[in-house]
Amino acid sequence: DPKIIQKPKYLVAVTGSEKILICEQYLGHNAMYWYRQSAKKPLEFMFSYSYQKLMDNQTASSRFQPQSSKKNHLDLQITALKPDDSATYFCASSQPSGTTGNTLYFGEGSRLIVV
Amino acid sequence: QQQVRQSSQSLTVWEGETAILNCSYENSAFDYFPWYQQFPGEGPALLIAIRSVSDKKEDGRFTIFFNKREKNLSLHIKDSQPGDSATYFCAASANYNVLYFGSGTKLTVEP
Repeated sequence: DPKIIQKPKYLVAVTGSEKILICEQYLGHNAMYWYRQSAKKPLEFMFSYSYQKLMDNQTASSRFQPQSSKKNHLDLQITALKPDDSATYFCASSQPSGTTGNTLYFGEGSRLIVV
Repeated sequence: QQQVRQSSQSLTVWEGETAILNCSYENSAFDYFPWYQQFPGEGPALLIAIRSVSDKKEDGRFTIFFNKREKNLSLHIKDSQPGDSATYFCAASANYNVLYFGSGTKLTVEP
């Protein structure tokens, strides 16, 4: 059974619309992340959260907003979608920094296509 | 700025050969270097990792050779199998912080 669940698996959106990508992890981890993978920039770091608090944000655009409603949830809201946002978005989790190191466990990804 | 570089986008070897995947990095503060394996349609999964205090890490058929002075490392896959065909990502982090990934090397093992 997948321990990190991402929904939806595939998504087609219209330019200018808004979408939310869902991520839940059942590994008991306290750190969660979002990465983006596209042909131009494979596995690009976006956000990291630890104990539901934002630790690092390397996404230039404010159109991307992570939301953590529960300890094991980290959703990603994307507004004013652009075709350049087309990518596979991976959620990942790990134990907090400084414990077992940075072994990231990835979900299967949400593939977003913006038309 | 690409902090972690993988020199080859793709590599093809025959079954039974040793595949060598290379990686280099910019930031001297990086101290943790994992390699991730990704199959199509799946998320990346940790394969093997090394810390900068070591120069070699072995796990079965997989070995990392690390050169801190030259800021490079390589992943050796001995006795390559068709099932090893995947994309391999080199990654690095400093002080247990954000993991930065290279652009990946797509390995094909021909039977």
